[in-house]
Amino acid sequence: ELKVEQNPLFLSMQEGKNYTIYCNYSTTSDRLYWYRQDPGKSLESLFVLLSNGAVKQEGRLMASLDTKARLSTLHITAAVHDLSATYFCAVDNPYSGGGADGLTFGKGTHLIIQP
Amino acid sequence: DGGITQSPKYLFRKEGQNVTLSCEQNLNHDAMYWYRQDPGQGLRLIYYSQIVNDFQKGDIAEGYSVSREKKESFPLTVTSAQKNPTAFYLCASSVGGQNTYRGNSNQPQHFGDGTRLSIL
Repeated sequence: ELKVEQNPLFLSMQEGKNYTIYCNYSTTSDRLYWYRQDPGKSLESLFVLLSNGAVKQEGRLMASLDTKARLSTLHITAAVHDLSATYFCAVDNPYSGGGADGLTFGKGTHLIIQP
Repeated sequence: DGGITQSPKYLFRKEGQNVTLSCEQNLNHDAMYWYRQDPGQGLRLIYYSQIVNDFQKGDIAEGYSVSREKKESFPLTVTSAQKNPTAFYLCASSVGGQNTYRGNSNQPQHFGDGTRLSIL
């Protein structure tokens, strides 16, 4: 059974600081997703990481994937209040044979950025 | 604009009642999914469909049923057998269905705005 663990689950930080959210998964997979969710809202796709060593950046967010360590990180640089949200990582079913079998999600990291 | 439409936004269920949540997409995606989200939790997969007239159980299918008669539509019925239906339900779709190798596709699953279901 594929398990996805995020940490921390809750993070309060000040504007201007840097921090990293970690996502570990239990079974080999070469496809990892990061999503953002605002309170009461749906999920917004941030990054799709397709291979070992993949790194993607958008604004103050940067995501990376190490498939050998089964680890992805979401790094926040010089945080601003607008980045306050819950961030989820999700992993593809590695046995899907290339088909679309659905994702396994972590529990999410609730991020609060204070002025 | 292409997207996924879920309705209703809020739904209340009485004891012993079945209710149906609607999900429609105009993205021309083959695959569609239903997830359940409980407060403070991640999403859990209920059902998914890779092609019309076919669907598969996810991790928590008990008490739910689906149909996929059209490519655009994937309704979810919450039956009376689901004893704890209160949750936020999210529908998603993606490219790549049955026997479709997604290869280097960088397309994520796209999500609707969700339906909040509560018990009266």
